[in-house]
Amino acid sequence: KAGVTQTPRYLIKTRGQQVTLSCSPISGHRSVSWYQQTPGQGLQFLFEYFSETQRNKGNFPGRFSGRQFSNSRSEMNVSTLELGDSALYLCASRPDRALGTEAFFGQGTRLTVV
Amino acid sequence: GESVGLHLPTLSVQEGDNSIINCAYSNSASDYFIWYKQESGKGPQFIIDIRSNMDKRQGQRVTVLLNKTVKHLSLQIAATQPGDSAVYFCAENIGDDKIIFGKGTRLHILP
Repeated sequence: KAGVTQTPRYLIKTRGQQVTLSCSPISGHRSVSWYQQTPGQGLQFLFEYFSETQRNKGNFPGRFSGRQFSNSRSEMNVSTLELGDSALYLCASRPDRALGTEAFFGQGTRLTVV
Repeated sequence: GESVGLHLPTLSVQEGDNSIINCAYSNSASDYFIWYKQESGKGPQFIIDIRSNMDKRQGQRVTVLLNKTVKHLSLQIAATQPGDSAVYFCAENIGDDKIIFGKGTRLHILP
């Protein structure tokens, strides 16, 4: 069974640009969550999607958005990039939203904003 | 606010010794806690979890202890091996299905 796949693995963008990151969850998983990981702030929750609906959102500005498709694949978009957006963006998938359901993480997309 | 923190950013342990990684959480309503391990260049990997109605859970070489009175969580790794070198995160599952992570503790294994 394939794991969570995130593309691209590495990305370099310029300030002011926008970027789209992709996450393909494990087959059959319907919940996809996104996290931003930086050395200073650690892992911070961005949002969670389940059955194409955003169920939860972290404390990030509106420049950060996402969506989920009918096949459970998810994308996140960051517009008007800032230097501080440089981070590892991680996606995690779960089969459902029941408490105690294990989340499986992808390897992440390393975004560098210059 | 919602926060899960760790007492020590770096822990050095002799190979073969037991490791204890500590974590404090702030949300008394949390009902599920998880420990993750993150190796360099990889995403976090689930190690063990515990529900709030338990105070101890054991896995293979790992034990998680939960003290709800003082809002404290710990991960014990028995007979620490070089492959245990990683950053360990405790995480807290808040009722609305949001997982809040601590900042992490780096475990360094001494030969």
